[in-house]
Amino acid sequence: EVQLVESGGGLVQPGGSLRLSCAASGFTFNSYWMGWVRQAPGKGLEGVANIRQDGNQIYYVDSVKGRFTMSRDNARNSLYLQMNSLRAEDTAIYYCARLVVPPPIVGWFFDLWGRGTLVTVSS
Amino acid sequence: IQMTQSPSSLSASVGDRVTITCRASESISNYLNWYQQIPGKAPNLLIYGASSLQSGVPARFSGAGWGTDFTLTISSLQPEDFATYYCQQTYRTPLFGPGTKVDIK
Repeated sequence: EVQLVESGGGLVQPGGSLRLSCAASGFTFNSYWMGWVRQAPGKGLEGVANIRQDGNQIYYVDSVKGRFTMSRDNARNSLYLQMNSLRAEDTAIYYCARLVVPPPIVGWFFDLWGRGTLVTVSS
Repeated sequence: IQMTQSPSSLSASVGDRVTITCRASESISNYLNWYQQIPGKAPNLLIYGASSLQSGVPARFSGAGWGTDFTLTISSLQPEDFATYYCQQTYRTPLFGPGTKVDIK
């Protein structure tokens, strides 16, 4: 079955750290860009970071630059998000998503999403 | 690039034709996607490239537009379509719109 399964969420104090994981299955993981998208409680969607197939190109939203690090392990079909210096405003469901760039190029999109993992930053 | 959606919410009945608008602050060509999110679930891709229907998505969903103005139309609203709909531009720094909630009248 083609799926993404996130793990690693939980309650953490402000200033703390957390590492999210995403396990991919049912498709050729190393052929795809991947992304993390978050959604604060009752709010809209926000792209957090995207990573190229080889892991050597990564884009971050400005609000997490210098605090979050995205990585991947293609041998393990896994995606990671290391989150440091967490703030209350980082509280959200974090989704792992597969990114597709179709030919001819019409812009990329997320075509497969995990169910998400909840991160709560609170004292 | 800023994204706006209108309306922010709407009430409709089963069988209604519903149109949601997404506007970009500058031209984004056709780099515009639409997602549906049912409460408690992950988002689901409906339309990519402004008008291309994602595989497996019912044909009652359609997208149109180019440049700055885009629409998502549901030709005949079904009970499973009550959800929040988000547009997303991927022309420059990617950004989702604020969403449009469709609920039951």
